[in-house]
Amino acid sequence: DAGVTQSPTHLIKTRGQQVTLRCSPKSGHDTVSWYQQALGQGPQFIFQYYEEEERQRGNFPDRFSGHQFPNYSSELNVNALLLGDSALYLCASMGSTKNIQYFGAGTRLSVL
Amino acid sequence: EDQVTQSPEALRLQEGESSSLNCSYTVSGLRGLFWYRQDPGKGPEFLFTLYSAGEEKEKERLKATLTKKESFLHITAPKPEDSATYLCAVQGGSEKLVFGKGTKLTVNP
Repeated sequence: DAGVTQSPTHLIKTRGQQVTLRCSPKSGHDTVSWYQQALGQGPQFIFQYYEEEERQRGNFPDRFSGHQFPNYSSELNVNALLLGDSALYLCASMGSTKNIQYFGAGTRLSVL
Repeated sequence: EDQVTQSPEALRLQEGESSSLNCSYTVSGLRGLFWYRQDPGKGPEFLFTLYSAGEEKEKERLKATLTKKESFLHITAPKPEDSATYLCAVQGGSEKLVFGKGTKLTVNP
């Protein structure tokens, strides 16, 4: 049983560019959340998707947007990249029967 | 606003030397308190969920406890493979998890 998978593993971009990160949830899970983790910090909630709709959003600008597909996979898009967007981006999935979020290995984004 | 504070920031133990990590929290209507383990360059790995004061959960050398204001992660006779960053998170009235900064544990052989 595959867990939460994220791609790509690493990504290097320059300021002003746009990036798309991808996430496949754990089998049987229908809810996907995205978190940003800066070095030495705990993960910070970006947003959550359920039934292809954004259910909740954290304190992040509109440059951060997302999408959920009918197969429950999800994308995180970041426009107009800033140096401060460099971080580990984590995807977490959850099923409807248990209130536990399981995390993927993350995508390490470096903005130069 | 929900908040989580973890202490200490870093902890260095000798193999077999038991200790505890602290997680203090403020939350509106606790739905759950979560402990995760994170190895360098990897995503957080779920350890425990606690839902109400007085609850305890155990797994191998780890035991998590919960009061109305804090949670403790007790590590008994740790081994070098227990070295990792331990993250505490709370879930209040919303779906999001609010994390602390973590405690980096190093266990020396």
